[in-house]
Amino acid sequence: QVELQESGPGLVKPSETLSLTCTVSGGSIRSYYWRWIRQPPGKGLEYIGYIYYNGNTNYNPSLKSRVTISVDTSQNQFSLKLSSVTAADTAVYYCARDNTMIRGVLDYWGRGKLVTVSS
Amino acid sequence: DIVMTQSPDSLAVSLGERATINCKSSQSLLYSSNNRDSLAWYQQKPGQPPKLLIYWASMRESGVPDRFSGSGSGTDFTLTISSLQVEDVAVYYCQQYYSSPGITFGQGTRLEIK
Repeated sequence: QVELQESGPGLVKPSETLSLTCTVSGGSIRSYYWRWIRQPPGKGLEYIGYIYYNGNTNYNPSLKSRVTISVDTSQNQFSLKLSSVTAADTAVYYCARDNTMIRGVLDYWGRGKLVTVSS
Repeated sequence: DIVMTQSPDSLAVSLGERATINCKSSQSLLYSSNNRDSLAWYQQKPGQPPKLLIYWASMRESGVPDRFSGSGSGTDFTLTISSLQVEDVAVYYCQQYYSSPGITFGQGTRLEIK
């Protein structure tokens, strides 16, 4: 059974860079698309971006200037960096996997990591 | 961007009764290569990540109870729970993947017991 686990600091100062890692267990990171999704407290879901195991990426245009997603296949991990954060970036950050046959359908999710932006 | 709009924002239904949630997209989600609509539904319970229920607008994910069904095509879609159970209390989201890699979600519908 595939499991995803987000890790990283739960508190980031304004203007600094948010960094999270998603570790994939129970399966290989290869041959799949992997995404970051976020959810501000009490609000809906927002797509941040994805990475393919070969390093190809796509980012939400609204966040593109601040987002970098990378992959480390040797560690079965992929990572998110979001720069110049503000309070508006406070959210639960989820990593998720695309269905093997249907790109864009998310069939495995991590439990989420709450990141608070505050001084 | 494809905008997804759900209605209602919240819904209260009695146990055993039918619950219906609507989702409208700003453009057609019909994927011409397979004649299917690129629409998924997710269930999110408090403190948990979303769980995939339905994809291709009407196909149930493995393990999802058959009281959950999806319907619709083009720009208008519906999630129906035929007989509401206590464990169905959650927020439900529709999501389009027609424009994948970019994806967008509806704002969510909160389902409660009346």
